[in-house]
Amino acid sequence: GDSVTQMEGPVTLSEEAFLTINCTYTATGYPSLFWYVQYPGEGLQLLLKATKADDKGSNKGFEATYRKETTSFHLEKGSVQVSDSAVYFCALSENTGNQFYFGTGTSLTVIP
Amino acid sequence: EAQVTQNPRYLITVTGKKLTVTCSQNMNHEYMSWYRQDPGLGLRQIYYSMNVEVTDKGDVPEGYKVSRKEKRNFPLILESPSPNQTSLYFCASSPTVPGQGFSGNTIYFGEGSWLTVV
Repeated sequence: GDSVTQMEGPVTLSEEAFLTINCTYTATGYPSLFWYVQYPGEGLQLLLKATKADDKGSNKGFEATYRKETTSFHLEKGSVQVSDSAVYFCALSENTGNQFYFGTGTSLTVIP
Repeated sequence: EAQVTQNPRYLITVTGKKLTVTCSQNMNHEYMSWYRQDPGLGLRQIYYSMNVEVTDKGDVPEGYKVSRKEKRNFPLILESPSPNQTSLYFCASSPTVPGQGFSGNTIYFGEGSWLTVV
């Protein structure tokens, strides 16, 4: 079945450091890929998405590229801020399916 | 404002006392779902619904019930809560395309309901 695997945390970085959170997936069809962010005390909200191979999603300085050859969708940001401290979830949905699949989440803490 | 609203946000209850967590969305979405979030386990799906009167089990349905009598509402019912149901619960919704599933659409989450069963 479909699944998403993301790197375990927690991750602690200094402000302005480079961020990479790895995400790989298994899917039987043609999935769309997502990154969601959960700030403390809040629900999950969409950060970015890509709906087909080689697409790049971007938002708030974060980027992720849909790599079909490596079945990956790694999240990157060139310079993190304290306000980026949150839990990040990688997810996929099959375009003709009825399920969203989430990774276990990666907690990021950015220290000044 | 487009949103998913769930209530209550915080609840402490006792073992065996039936409770309902309500969920309502104002985006006319076909798909709705309930998840629970536990440390180290990420999000696990409890139940989902593809449309009115259509519900199906997720990964962890035991001890829960749902109903979908109206498109906007999808309540989660704990008939006899137990301490292992202490968790953070999220309701979510998403539009779907008839015959095509999600088609890349986003899923929208409520703010969460903290439930403690003592």
